[in-house]
Amino acid sequence: GIQVEQSPPDLILQEGANSTLRCNFSDSVNNLQWFHQNPWGQLINLFYIPSGTKQNGRLSATTVATERYSLLYISSSQTTDSGVYFCAVERSDDMRFGAGTRLTVKP
Amino acid sequence: EPEVTQTPSHQVTQMGQEVILRCVPISNHLYFYWYRQILGQKVEFLVSFYNNEISEKSEIFDDQFSVERPDGSNFTLKIRSTKLEDSAMYFCASSMSGTGELFFGEGSRLTVL
Repeated sequence: GIQVEQSPPDLILQEGANSTLRCNFSDSVNNLQWFHQNPWGQLINLFYIPSGTKQNGRLSATTVATERYSLLYISSSQTTDSGVYFCAVERSDDMRFGAGTRLTVKP
Repeated sequence: EPEVTQTPSHQVTQMGQEVILRCVPISNHLYFYWYRQILGQKVEFLVSFYNNEISEKSEIFDDQFSVERPDGSNFTLKIRSTKLEDSAMYFCASSMSGTGELFFGEGSRLTVL
């Protein structure tokens, strides 16, 4: 099956800093999404981005499908950005998640 | 904004008991999914469901698991005889198309004692 690797596994930032999270995948995909899992365990949709670039406030994402990676940018990080960020890809009929990047933003 | 809803939010059960987790997908969505997340681990695919039948399932989804869409709105996951290792957060998701954006519910936390 398709492999999804996220890096870094853990990231600690000072409030206000910028960061880039990476997602590599092993095969062509039809769908790629970024999620934020908050401290209550809820999965929050961030981006549906099988290709191209999208921006939503302080967050943006870029997927280069031909090179099988996606990047999530967080600018001017806030403590509420803390949590685990998952990349998930879909090739056929099931979405596979990476292991996540655990982000801690310190005040 | 339409959303996927799940009940119960938390269930505690004894090992060997049957559990049914319920989901109401977004109303015009056609594809339905169950995922689980063992505490501290990544989210794992269990099963996808389309046109009233399972379209794909993972190796986790063994004979102890079943899914059903009994009434055209609910989508249920049944675990026949729970084991300790079934303790996890179970997420339901739905999408308009097989490769479209997935929308997740808030999860049902299952604790098996």
